[in-house]
Amino acid sequence: ETGVTQTPRHLVMGMTNKKSLKCEQHLGHNAMYWYKQSAKKPLELMFVYSLEERVENNSVPSRFSPECPNSSHLFLHLHTLQPEDSALYLCASSQEIGQGSTEAFFGQGTRLTVV
Amino acid sequence: GQNIDQPTEMTATEGAIVQINCTYQTSGFNGLFWYQQHAGEAPTFLSYNVLDGLEEKGRFSSFLSRSKGYSYLLLKELQMKDSASYLCAVKDSNYQLIWGAGTKLIIKP
Repeated sequence: ETGVTQTPRHLVMGMTNKKSLKCEQHLGHNAMYWYKQSAKKPLELMFVYSLEERVENNSVPSRFSPECPNSSHLFLHLHTLQPEDSALYLCASSQEIGQGSTEAFFGQGTRLTVV
Repeated sequence: GQNIDQPTEMTATEGAIVQINCTYQTSGFNGLFWYQQHAGEAPTFLSYNVLDGLEEKGRFSSFLSRSKGYSYLLLKELQMKDSASYLCAVKDSNYQLIWGAGTKLIIKP
């Protein structure tokens, strides 16, 4: 069992569909993150949760809706997406947010294609 | 604004040494990270520097100069499996990670 697990690995959806991405971490961490990774661009931080409370929302469009029911699970609900939202969506976790040396552990990502 | 610069792509030969540079301008500094990401896989942690100097970990070393806003990742005795993207990231004054776009390293036999 890997530390951070994401499902599905691949997703193709139409612009009118509703889907959800799931992330689960088995590391006992308190912080979880959603990132968007587009080709040849820096990782974009979308959402940060600490102890199940959202602490960061970097001006993400409302068509992306996160949910953190407990410290081990994180969801990203998707609806009425645009083709430019096609990307690799990465989930990560870390022990906590405030410490400098705390590294993030990533899941393998969901490759999303919006058609 | 905040910015992390690293080369887009580099090519090196198996068995050789390669240095991947990273320069940064951020609001505050709470450490610099290097991650490795193979195609289609999760980024994995390689190193963390918060003080100036060289940190060595096996075939990989990472250097930091805070006064110059500069770091490099040094890979020795290159192996084919080292072909991957290498991501540089800095934690700013809010402990938020600011990422570079990554350097794709191609290893040739």
